Amino acid sequence: AQSVSQHNHHVILSEAASLELGCNYSYGGTVNLFWYVQYPGQHLQLLLKYFSGDPLVKGIKGFEAEFIKSKFSFNLRKPSVQWSDTAEYFCAVNKASGTYKYIFGTGTRLKVLA
Amino acid sequence: EAGVAQSPRYKIIEKRQSVAFWCNPISGHATLYWYQQILGQGPKLLIQFQNNGVVDDSQLPKDRFSAERLKGVDSTLKIQPAKLEDSAVYLCASSLDVHPGANVLTFGAGSRLTVL
Repeated sequence: AQSVSQHNHHVILSEAASLELGCNYSYGGTVNLFWYVQYPGQHLQLLLKYFSGDPLVKGIKGFEAEFIKSKFSFNLRKPSVQWSDTAEYFCAVNKASGTYKYIFGTGTRLKVLA
Repeated sequence: EAGVAQSPRYKIIEKRQSVAFWCNPISGHATLYWYQQILGQGPKLLIQFQNNGVVDDSQLPKDRFSAERLKGVDSTLKIQPAKLEDSAVYLCASSLDVHPGANVLTFGAGSRLTVL
């Protein structure tokens, strides 16, 4: 069965620090990978996605993620965080063919100190 | 474009009572999802519809939860009878079926259920 693991449940950083949030998935086939973000008081929304091609994908607000197939990982990075990046971040995965289920990780709550 | 509409936003009920949540997806979105998000956890897929057919409901507690999507548009999720552990935010999302899996979800604001 598909599953998604996010290793860091809570992260606290100062502004300008670098960010890396881990995401690992278990599924042996071809997958699509996503990071969603939920800012305080707002809906979940897409941050970035990987379907195929260049394994380094860029999203909104300076975020990027790297798909490493051999490690079943899709880690999220940002070189320099801002206070406005305070939010909860969710990794998600689904199969790239056939019947698919859209599965989310448990989330990482990021707090950026001004 | 209008977003995914959900109602009610908040509901407080006693255990063993029933509750229903409604979702209206973005116009033209074929796939509709219901997720349960318990505090401190990620969204858990309850049921996924494609048009008015069920794609997956393997994690839906069918003894108490039911969902339907009549005419392939809006959807209702019902809980009867509710248990304390059903306290959660119920999220509805929808997506275009561009091709399998490669869909971006648009979420509604959620319906927060508290069971006392």
